[in-house]
Amino acid sequence: ETGVTQTPRHLVMGMTNKKSLKCEQHLGHNAMYWYKQSAKKPLELMFVYNFKEQTENNSVPSRFSPECPNSSHLFLHLHTLQPEDSALYLCASSQVAQGYGYTFGSGTRLTVV
Amino acid sequence: EDQVTQSPEALRLQEGESSSLNCSYTVSGLRGLFWYRQDPGKGPEFLFTLYSAGEEKEKERLKATLTKKESFLHITAPKPEDSATYLCAVSSGSAGGTSYGKLTFGQGTILTVHP
Repeated sequence: ETGVTQTPRHLVMGMTNKKSLKCEQHLGHNAMYWYKQSAKKPLELMFVYNFKEQTENNSVPSRFSPECPNSSHLFLHLHTLQPEDSALYLCASSQVAQGYGYTFGSGTRLTVV
Repeated sequence: EDQVTQSPEALRLQEGESSSLNCSYTVSGLRGLFWYRQDPGKGPEFLFTLYSAGEEKEKERLKATLTKKESFLHITAPKPEDSATYLCAVSSGSAGGTSYGKLTFGQGTILTVHP
């Protein structure tokens, strides 16, 4: 399998649930990212991991918890979310040292009810 | 703080009617400007990277250009399959800095091409 793979593609969860989003990249990249995309808004950077180390947390609420166990895998753990957290969550990877752009996954469409 | 503004927000064209999308940016030390295409329900798909003013890149009916303040995505004789949201993003900063590798996106232009 090639590229960036995100699972699940769709997720509906209640406000008291705990769920996790998974991202896997098969490109040998050294950086991974979580972005949130809401309707009619620019993509919002949530977290950045360079070489497995978190280098940026863009003022994201603590109900979102990232985990990067190795340079190929990235998780976003979700708990006690709010309806306004419903959005498309996109994972991306890049080779930072070369200054290339991102390769994105297809995203997880999250609905909080 | 890097800023990216895209215009127009939405653009409707007839098949074969050429036009341009605009991306204005403000950055401290541009490392690259990126164009992506996004279809509904999917992740953005990479189109072009431009690194310096005066640079141009082409792919089929698309041509991207870059100045010191803005980039244009020219669409020549578009077809209905070109309908999508087109995103512009910039990368800035120096190696080792906290912003290194981070992209800042505009809000996108929704392009609809009617047959």
